[in-house]
Order: sequence, then structure tokens, then C-alpha cells
Amino acid sequence: GEDVEQSLFLSVREGDSSVINCTYTDSSSTYLYWYKQEPGAGLQLLTYIFSNMDMKQDQRLTVLLNKKDKHLSLRIADTQTGDSAIYFCAESITGANNLFFGTGTRLTVIP
Amino acid sequence: EAGVAQSPRYKIIEKRQSVAFWCNPISGHATLYWYQQILGQGPKLLIQFQNNGVVDDSQLPKDRFSAERLKGVDSTLKIQPAKLEDSAMYLCASSLAGGSEAFFGQGTRLTVV
Repeated sequence: GEDVEQSLFLSVREGDSSVINCTYTDSSSTYLYWYKQEPGAGLQLLTYIFSNMDMKQDQRLTVLLNKKDKHLSLRIADTQTGDSAIYFCAESITGANNLFFGTGTRLTVIP
Repeated sequence: EAGVAQSPRYKIIEKRQSVAFWCNPISGHATLYWYQQILGQGPKLLIQFQNNGVVDDSQLPKDRFSAERLKGVDSTLKIQPAKLEDSAMYLCASSLAGGSEAFFGQGTRLTVV
């Protein structure tokens, strides 16, 4: 079955870049997502990438996909204190249907 | 554009009681999802509706959980009777039929004591 793994914690200094990593096992994954969850809140879709792409950039966010190694990363440039949150990687075979989430990485930004 | 609306935001009940959560999806979104997120974990899909029909309820504990979407818009998720291990955040999400993006509501935090 599917398995999506993320490291639990990451701390960075304000202004530095953050890189959050994710590995997945299902080679059928077609869509790979990054969601952000602030304390006590729902999930905010940040960006997603199709499996036939290897990079996607959206303002401060850069997603890199290594399909051979089943490795996904999210780079946040110029990290701000407002970026402190839990970041979830998710994968799906059929788009928004049945997203399979990792356990999340808690990003702490130190002023 | 209004997002996914959920209520209540918080609920505390005793074990063996019943509870219901309500969700109003984004207008025009045919697909609606209920996810359960236990503290420290990622969300897990409970049930998916396409309009008023169930597409996938394979992960729904049907002995105590039920959900409906009678008119293909709003949905309710019910737990009866609740157990301590049902304490979690219940998230509703919606998407266009066949869409790539699922949008989540703010969730309902359930505590069973």
C-alpha cells in the first residue's frame, strides 16, 4: 500500500531557505501535493506537481520531484515567521480523489 | 469565493454519546470528502461523495460512523456511539468533479472524554 514519509521537525532562521523533504512508495502516484496547516486550522493547498514534471516554481515556493527515487521536496525562499506551520506532503493517483498524506513536518522559523 | 464551511469548530462529548458535524462545500463542487486527522498524524480519508452518491467509504467505520449528502450539496457526518479513540480533527474538503485540487475547511475538533 501507499506510504508517505516526512521528517517530523525543521528549524530555520528567518530569511534563510527551508527545504522540506518527502518520500513516497507508490510508483503509480500521478499527483503530488504540498499542504500547509497552521495551529488549530484546516489545510491550505500550497502547490502541486504532476508526475511528468520535475520542477515547479510559484513565487517563493519551488517543488522538486525525483520520480526515480520517489522523492519530493518543497523549498521556501526567504522564510518568514508566518511560514511556521506543519507542512504535509500528499500523493494521489487520480487527482483530488483519495489523497494519501504523510505525517507532516513542523517548520519553526526563528526570528 | 467562499471556502468550505464547517460547524461546529469544537465539540466535547462523553464516550457513548452521539455527535454530528456539518459541511457546506464550495459552490459548484460536485465532490465532497470527509477526512479524520488524529493528533500528530496526517489526514485519512473516511468517505467521498460525488453529488449525492457515495464513491468510496472503504475506510469509514460503519458500525458507528455514518454520512449523508442528501441533496448533493451540504453533508453531515455522524458518530454514534463515540469512543475515546474518535478524538480527532474532522476535516471536510471539496473539489470539482475530476479536479486536481481539493480545498479544505477549518475542521471540527472533537474531544471524547
